Amino acid sequence: QSALTQPASVSGSPGQSITISCTGSSSDIGAYNYVSWYQQHPAKAPKLMIYDITNRPSGVSNRFSASKSGDTASLTISGLQPEDEADYYCLSYTTSSSLVFGGGTKLTVL
Amino acid sequence: QVQVVQSGAEVKRPGASVKISCRASGYTFTTYFIHWVRQAPGQGLEWMAMINPGGGSTAYAQNLQGRLTMTRDTSTDTVYMELSSLRSEDTAIYYCASGVRNWVDYWGQGTQVTVSS
Repeated sequence: QSALTQPASVSGSPGQSITISCTGSSSDIGAYNYVSWYQQHPAKAPKLMIYDITNRPSGVSNRFSASKSGDTASLTISGLQPEDEADYYCLSYTTSSSLVFGGGTKLTVL
Repeated sequence: QVQVVQSGAEVKRPGASVKISCRASGYTFTTYFIHWVRQAPGQGLEWMAMINPGGGSTAYAQNLQGRLTMTRDTSTDTVYMELSSLRSEDTAIYYCASGVRNWVDYWGQGTQVTVSS
């Protein structure tokens, strides 16, 4: 199972919105509504931000939203804040009953 | 509250095996899956495997099948991950995390595994 495709980096200024894409195939993202997103700060464990395409766990800011169209999922962060600077990963369930991560996207808040 | 606690750092020779433990508390152990995820130095996250502690069923990443074994001990609420035939590319931080089949929520602190001759 190949890693899902994410842009290596994105950037934005405080207050702006950014979108991170995550492209897979009909064997993973396109097959189920089982995409989740994780935020990872340096030297920290990842944190769940979105699950099952659009759902936010309790405690996650509503500035984080997500969607899916076909084989591509997207994470949008609105009203960028300095603490949003981190690495972001998508994760999808697959038709092989396994999971696969995206390659990760480094978000820089300018 | 939910806690996931892993065993400590390991240093192994190439060709050896490593076994890491992951103990979950704060919830009914058999209710949630345990996943293993690793991160090589400066690299992204790699999903490795998951186990359903309730029934013991497992799923593995294709590239690790044959080298990776997960077991669980319901008497101590602990899951074990054993990786064999270690090579330098297996040097990474190994995380266990609880969740459901298709996402993970509570993460352990990570276990550094270093493979070096």
